Amino acid sequence: DIQLTQSPPSLSASVGDRVTITCRASQSISRFLSWYQQKPGKAPKLLIYDASSLQSGVPSRFSGGGSGSDFTLSISGLQPDDFATYYCQHTYSIPLAFGGGTKLDIK
Amino acid sequence: QVQLVQSGAAVKKPGSSVKVSCKTSGGSFNSDSLNWVRQAPNQGLEWMGGIIPILGKANYAQNFQGRVTISADDSTATAYLELSSLRSEDTAMYFCARSVRLSHYFDSWGQGTHVTVSS
Repeated sequence: DIQLTQSPPSLSASVGDRVTITCRASQSISRFLSWYQQKPGKAPKLLIYDASSLQSGVPSRFSGGGSGSDFTLSISGLQPDDFATYYCQHTYSIPLAFGGGTKLDIK
Repeated sequence: QVQLVQSGAAVKKPGSSVKVSCKTSGGSFNSDSLNWVRQAPNQGLEWMGGIIPILGKANYAQNFQGRVTISADDSTATAYLELSSLRSEDTAMYFCARSVRLSHYFDSWGQGTHVTVSS
């Protein structure tokens, strides 16, 4: 089974900052990786799919990159609404799996 | 617009079973993939399994094999998760989530159903 390791587990930043979260897969998964944002008490929200495709309605300050086993999610110009927990998910094969999450909070 | 509406919270005794429903609208029920994702308190997301109703066959995560059944009723566009032999560690929020065919990324989610397992 494919494992995903996210780093860092937590991150503090200020409004306006640019932050990058990484996700490493235990084997090559081509570009079959998605990113989600989750706020407390809410369902996750799809941000990025296929490593770098922006889901409809998601602000362009979110961007994804990478291929193979190393991936990134970047947020430029952090807004107050962006402070949340972020998860990567591989979509390469069954069983699907999520990374452990990165909690982004306000510095 | 796709909407997924889940059944309400449940409180169950250890050893019993729970069945959670997820009624969909606005999508292509038979060809979409409907999945279940679990989130224990203050923990991350865990994929439990999924089904494409037109294929009729569900896939399950190894952690739940033998205890979980995912099914779908195309007459009501509803997917179900049944988890048996409940233990306290099954106390969690359970989400249904849709992916278009075999894309495997989840573009629509239910609101979540909280299941508490307690004696």
